[in-house]
Amino acid sequence: DQQVKQNSPSLSVQEGRISILNCDYTNSMFDYFLWYKKYPAEGPTFLISISSIKDKNEDGRFTVFLNKSAKHLSLHIVPSQPGDSAVYFCAASALGDDKIIFGKGTRLHILP
Amino acid sequence: EAEVAQSPRYKITEKSQAVAFWCDPISGHATLYWYRQILGQGPELLVQFQDESVVDDSQLPKDRFSAERLKGVDSTLKIQPAELGDSAMYLCASSRTGYNSPLHFGNGTRLTVT
Repeated sequence: DQQVKQNSPSLSVQEGRISILNCDYTNSMFDYFLWYKKYPAEGPTFLISISSIKDKNEDGRFTVFLNKSAKHLSLHIVPSQPGDSAVYFCAASALGDDKIIFGKGTRLHILP
Repeated sequence: EAEVAQSPRYKITEKSQAVAFWCDPISGHATLYWYRQILGQGPELLVQFQDESVVDDSQLPKDRFSAERLKGVDSTLKIQPAELGDSAMYLCASSRTGYNSPLHFGNGTRLTVT
């Protein structure tokens, strides 16, 4: 049973436009959420995180939004750049537990 | 910037053979994780260590997989015997103690079992 769901396997976005990657979760005990980025033949790299006490966290071109009532979070990348082409994993952990559960990932293609 | 070191990067082995992967976490990171990532899936936790102790190995197929972190620093993951379904990327990650600490991943070992 997937506790962290990324329902879009892939997404294509024009360079310079906004990329929006979505993630849903089922476990109401999750209170810390992370996004990782992965290039081929490399390990995932931590991108940005958000605690459940917030609904938005911003770091440069990357913003994560959390909607706790909908059990939904999204990652916004503005503006999208060619180097953003990668697989993005949404991940979550529960209160008091440092085990992190990952979604299946969304492959983002930035088009020239 | 300190990195998690893993070796080998690639491993091809025949089924029924033994295979081992090594991981050296970032210095000072007490928590170490082994994840397995099958193509098209997200990383799945196999085993988690806190220093030299296993915290969670509920998803580790213990009939063929073993993991150790004897001195609480580097770690080895072993598969014996390997099966075709074990072909995957094996990722090691480490983090500081305490929750809400992001994981830092190594570049993984790509295992192909023939």
